[in-house]
Amino acid sequence: GENVEQHPSTLSVQEGDSAVIKCTYSDSASNYFPWYKQELGKRPQLIIDIRSNVGEKKDQRIAVTLNKTAKHFSLHITETQPEDSAVYFCAASIEGYSTLTFGKGTMLLVSP
Amino acid sequence: GAVVSQHPSWVICKSGTSVKIECRSLDFQATTMFWYRQFPKQSLMLMATSNEGSKATYEQGVEKDKFLINHASLTLSTLTVTSAHPEDSSFYICSARLLREAKNIQYFGAGTRLSVL
Repeated sequence: GENVEQHPSTLSVQEGDSAVIKCTYSDSASNYFPWYKQELGKRPQLIIDIRSNVGEKKDQRIAVTLNKTAKHFSLHITETQPEDSAVYFCAASIEGYSTLTFGKGTMLLVSP
Repeated sequence: GAVVSQHPSWVICKSGTSVKIECRSLDFQATTMFWYRQFPKQSLMLMATSNEGSKATYEQGVEKDKFLINHASLTLSTLTVTSAHPEDSSFYICSARLLREAKNIQYFGAGTRLSVL
């Protein structure tokens, strides 16, 4: 089955800095890679996703890149703000066929 | 759109009792829902896949007789923790899969915090 590794487990940045979270996956058939943000005690919220037919996707301050050959994808947050503090999970799946396999999560702390 | 409601949000029960958690897709039909368990500061662990009109598919190591799943309609799945014990205390989260334009996205419920005394 699919295995997703996520790094780092914790990330502390100053407000305004950029943050990068990286994930690798094992199943070359995976073609859908969402990122979820989970604030303490709340539900995971989908913030951005990418499919294997593109290499990069942006939405305001967040972007995701995908390298299919190397089987890794990354989340980039620019101009971080304290409200970006949360746990971020990457996931991988074969869209329409398999369940989501989640990484272990990255706790992002943005200090004012 | 794409709202998933989970109820209750918090439950405390005595050891040996059963607890039912409901997961509803409010504005879309979900033939597939998922149940996860999350320990503090850990990732989402898939427990089972709930399919409308058929038996749930359980992940390895999850006791199907302990965690009963029923997906009786296209908008409702329930998880019953039978004869709960303190080690079952955890945060349980459901999600519903929305199929739209050949793409599928999972939307999560707000979770249920179960404390077994």
